[in-house]
Amino acid sequence: DARVTQTPRHKVTEMGQEVTMRCQPILGHNTVFWYRQTMMQGLELLAYFRNRAPLDDSGMPKDRFSAEMPDATLATLKIQPSEPRDSAVYFCASGLAQGPYEQYFGPGTRLTVT
Amino acid sequence: QKEVEQNSGPLSVPEGAIASLNCTYSDRVSQSFFWYRQYSGKSPELIMSIYSNGDKEDGRFTAQLNKASQYVSLLIRDSQPSDSATYLCAVSSGGSNYKLTFGKGTLLTVNP
Repeated sequence: DARVTQTPRHKVTEMGQEVTMRCQPILGHNTVFWYRQTMMQGLELLAYFRNRAPLDDSGMPKDRFSAEMPDATLATLKIQPSEPRDSAVYFCASGLAQGPYEQYFGPGTRLTVT
Repeated sequence: QKEVEQNSGPLSVPEGAIASLNCTYSDRVSQSFFWYRQYSGKSPELIMSIYSNGDKEDGRFTAQLNKASQYVSLLIRDSQPSDSATYLCAVSSGGSNYKLTFGKGTLLTVNP
């Protein structure tokens, strides 16, 4: 059963701390997306990678967020330092860079910054 | 700024009825269209994709696309209480750039 996995599922941290979220895409998928979901803004694309190379991170606050893909089975999203406004659910999704261009979501990391 | 608009709802229908969910988009070059279902506290789940004008049916779900009107809809026949969820419309310009722009979703409630 091919699924995107994410860890941790929940994270509570204090303002100023570093947060690292991890994602394992579906085996064979070469495109990975990071989204953030809040009640106010809905689902927003933060960054995405193809074949491990960053293609677009224009949705990400550059001063505190960073995204990497050290290998084909791991994508990371880091926030340093974290702020209360970063509280949200962070989703990773993966897909293939060819038709039908479908994206499949992981279960998400619920982040609370106090 | 690409925009995807959905009625936030809630849309309430009785069990067994047809639920109709609508979505409009602003980018005329959009090529790929998706419907995701999201239960409360869960992640979005892909339920339908459509790329050409017309209807596409999959079980109780029918997606309809009208590119000239920049409109895509999802019909759910014989609605069940288990269909109660938020339905997200997503649009992509396709090709090598297949970033999705999501609407904010329509909350559907199916009443037994």
